[in-house]
Formats: sequence, structure tokens, C-alpha cells
Amino acid sequence: DVKVTQSSRYLVKRTGEKVFLECVQDMDHENMFWYRQDPGLGLRLIYFSYDVKMKEKGDIPEGYSVSREKKERFSLILESASTNQTSMYLCASSLRGRVTEAFFGQGTRLTVV
Amino acid sequence: AQTVTQSQPEMSVQEAETVTLSCTYDTSESDYYLFWYKQPPSRQMILVIRQEAYKQQNATENRFSVNFQKAAKSFSLKISDSQLGDAAMYFCAYRSAPDKLIFGTGTRLQVFP
Repeated sequence: DVKVTQSSRYLVKRTGEKVFLECVQDMDHENMFWYRQDPGLGLRLIYFSYDVKMKEKGDIPEGYSVSREKKERFSLILESASTNQTSMYLCASSLRGRVTEAFFGQGTRLTVV
Repeated sequence: AQTVTQSQPEMSVQEAETVTLSCTYDTSESDYYLFWYKQPPSRQMILVIRQEAYKQQNATENRFSVNFQKAAKSFSLKISDSQLGDAAMYFCAYRSAPDKLIFGTGTRLQVFP
């Protein structure tokens, strides 16, 4: 079975802290995604990576950066956390190709206080 | 930019009945895929069904089927013989080159015994 693992299920951080959310997949997928999920807004794409060291901005990249040094790992970085970044963060991965299924992690509920 | 709209924030259905969830999308492309994903209370997103834009035949997966109207840019999900386990958030998603996956705002489905 494909497994997408997010490093934390719940996280509480202080305003101004640098926050790292880690995501690891074990199926050699080329594509990896970071979304944030908020009530009434659905899933909004933050960043997308289609290969190692390749990334593309999604719809809401402001305040975030990403790193993909290895194929299996995709990190989301909040450079200076703010309270409006309190949200559920979902990581996903898929093989290359539009038909392919995306597999999701369990999500990280991040609270910034 | 492509957008996906789900106009029903909440729907409910009686067990064993049929329910239809709506989705519309906006795109200028002709080659793309559409998906329905399910997110139960456990938060684990799973694929329900997918449809290729070039295929006129509507996709079916057991009790789940779609009504794909390409000209109207409409992609609804029909759940037949609803079960208690169908209760979840349902997200419609669009995917085209270069593999970006865009989601709608979701519909919460409640199933009553």
C-alpha cells in the first residue's frame, strides 16, 4: 500500500517561529503537493513539486516555502508563523500523469498562538 | 486559472436512498481529468471515482457514478443505495497539465438511518 506520512498530527507553534512540516512518501512518486484545508474554503494548493528540486507555486504560496531535496520527502516551511496560518495541512503524492490517483497523508493540524 | 465550484456546502440522505452532489468547473483546456475524493471523519482522503474529459461515457464504480456534461462543465456524483459509511466530506477535483490538482470547497454529506 502507498503510504504518505506527515511528521505530526497536531502542532502548536508561537507567532514568529519558523515551522517545518515534513511529508514522506514510500512509492517513488514524482509529484508531491501541499494543501491547506479550511472550513468553507476546501483544499487550497500551496505548492506543487513534480520532481526533485522542482517546484511550482499554487494558489496561496504567500508566507510559505518548500524544499524537495530527495524524491520521497517534501517539506513545507512557514518562515515566520502567523495566526492566520492556523489550519489543517495536507500532503499528497502521485505518479506523473493527469490520470493518476493522489494519495494523501493524515494531515497536520497546526495552531499558531 | 482553473476553478472548481461546489455549490452545496451540506447535503443529507436517508440510508438506502440516492443522493447527487454537484460540481462545476471552469477551464479553457480540452484535455483534463476530473475526480471525486472522499474525506471521512478520520481525515484520510480517498479516491472515489475519476473521469477523463475525452470519454463521453460516464464513469461508474459500484454504487458511485458520475454525470459528466463537458459542454456545461458539470461533473456531479451520484451515490446510490446510500450507507452510513458514506457520511463524509466530498471534494470534486480537476487536473490538467502539468499535473496540478485543484479542489473545490467540498460538500458535507450526512446519512440518516
